Amino acid sequence: GESVGLHLPTLSVQEGDNSIINCAYSNSASDYFIWYKQESGKGPQFIIDIRSNMDKRQGQRVTVLLNKTVKHLSLQIAATQPGDSAVYFCAENTRAAGNKLTFGGGTRVLVKP
Amino acid sequence: DTGVSQDPRHKITKRGQNVTFRCDPISEHNRLYWYRQTLGQGPEFLTYFQNEAQLEKSRLLSDRFSAERPKGSFSTLEIQRTEQGDSAMYLCASSGLTSGSQDEQFFGPGTRLTVL
Repeated sequence: GESVGLHLPTLSVQEGDNSIINCAYSNSASDYFIWYKQESGKGPQFIIDIRSNMDKRQGQRVTVLLNKTVKHLSLQIAATQPGDSAVYFCAENTRAAGNKLTFGGGTRVLVKP
Repeated sequence: DTGVSQDPRHKITKRGQNVTFRCDPISEHNRLYWYRQTLGQGPEFLTYFQNEAQLEKSRLLSDRFSAERPKGSFSTLEIQRTEQGDSAMYLCASSGLTSGSQDEQFFGPGTRLTVL
């Protein structure tokens, strides 16, 4: 199938290691941030979200950190697995603007066995 | 499978032809969004509906594009007089009060359009 993100920054990580993906967002009025995973030929898949009144949220093997001072978002994946290989996008959302998502540039994660 | 379906999955057309895509959102979701994604980029917002009302259209949506959601359920996106620059993945997403959060959008698999 086609590859999503032929010219994206790539993070190569050894299986079992932790991954950190970073994202800078633009709108200080955004009140909701989401990380999506996109595999080749598929639509984005929700991973985890965080509200603007929080600075950290944990899920299963994933943690999102939000630094509003510098408008920075990160996604940490613990014990990265081959199935984590995909393109990851951050997105921001403003409820007042109808919840339309504004996506950042993606990062391709390649997990080496 | 998120429960959002799109048809067709792939469409190849010649420049100047009209194409129409369909999106079936998760049942009872009141909001439906269309996005466009080109290779190497994140999805870009095109338009969204709340029930049958089209509430916002992006400047990316030229007058050759039209979207409808006549009964507040499925939606169609039509592109008239296609151009090579229209080649992209067209993604549909839905959200609603039945999901855990009004904010969470569930994406379909997309329709890949290639204009020759």
